[in-house]
Amino acid sequence: AQSVTQPDIHITVSEGASLELRCNYSYGATPYLFWYVQSPGQGLQLLLKYFSGDTLVQGIKGFEAEFKRSQSSFNLRKPSVHWSDAAEYFCAVGDPFSSGSARQLTFGSGTQLTVLP
Amino acid sequence: DADVTQTPRNRITKTGKRIMLECSQTKGHDRMYWYRQDPGLGLRLIYYSFDVKDINKGEISDGYSVSRQAQAKFSLSLESAIPNQTALYFCATSDRGGYTFGSGTRLTVV
Repeated sequence: AQSVTQPDIHITVSEGASLELRCNYSYGATPYLFWYVQSPGQGLQLLLKYFSGDTLVQGIKGFEAEFKRSQSSFNLRKPSVHWSDAAEYFCAVGDPFSSGSARQLTFGSGTQLTVLP
Repeated sequence: DADVTQTPRNRITKTGKRIMLECSQTKGHDRMYWYRQDPGLGLRLIYYSFDVKDINKGEISDGYSVSRQAQAKFSLSLESAIPNQTALYFCATSDRGGYTFGSGTRLTVV
């Protein structure tokens, strides 16, 4: 069964500092990987996704993520964090092309980001 | 209008009551999903549907049922609500481009 681990429950960074959120996955086939952000009281917004090709993926709001197959990781990064980035971040693995059980989207438990002024 | 619309946005109900959460989408996707979000647990899949005739249980389907009334509509029902079903519920659709989520329904069972 597929699974996603986000080892950091809560991360605190200062505004302007760099950020890296970790994500490790377990998946039996070619992974399709996603990062979502959820602001307080809001729904889920897609930051970026990886389907194939270049392993460094650019997303919205200045975020990027790198797929490393050898490490089963898809870490999210941002070079300079803004106060508005404070939110909860979810990594997910799923296969929208699949007709099997992998077609469902499986989420990690989330990382809460606090940004200090 | 939003691509995926959930109603109601917020609901408080009493233990033992039947409640239905509704989801409609304008994206024309065949695949629809219901997720539940609890603090520290992320989102967990309740049910998913690949088309009107295809309904599948997810990770945590006990205590829930669904109805796919049309390609665009996928409803989640709690036949007899209990307090541990208090959570934020998300509907989603997908196609080969990825997944689109609704804004969520916050359900409180008292």
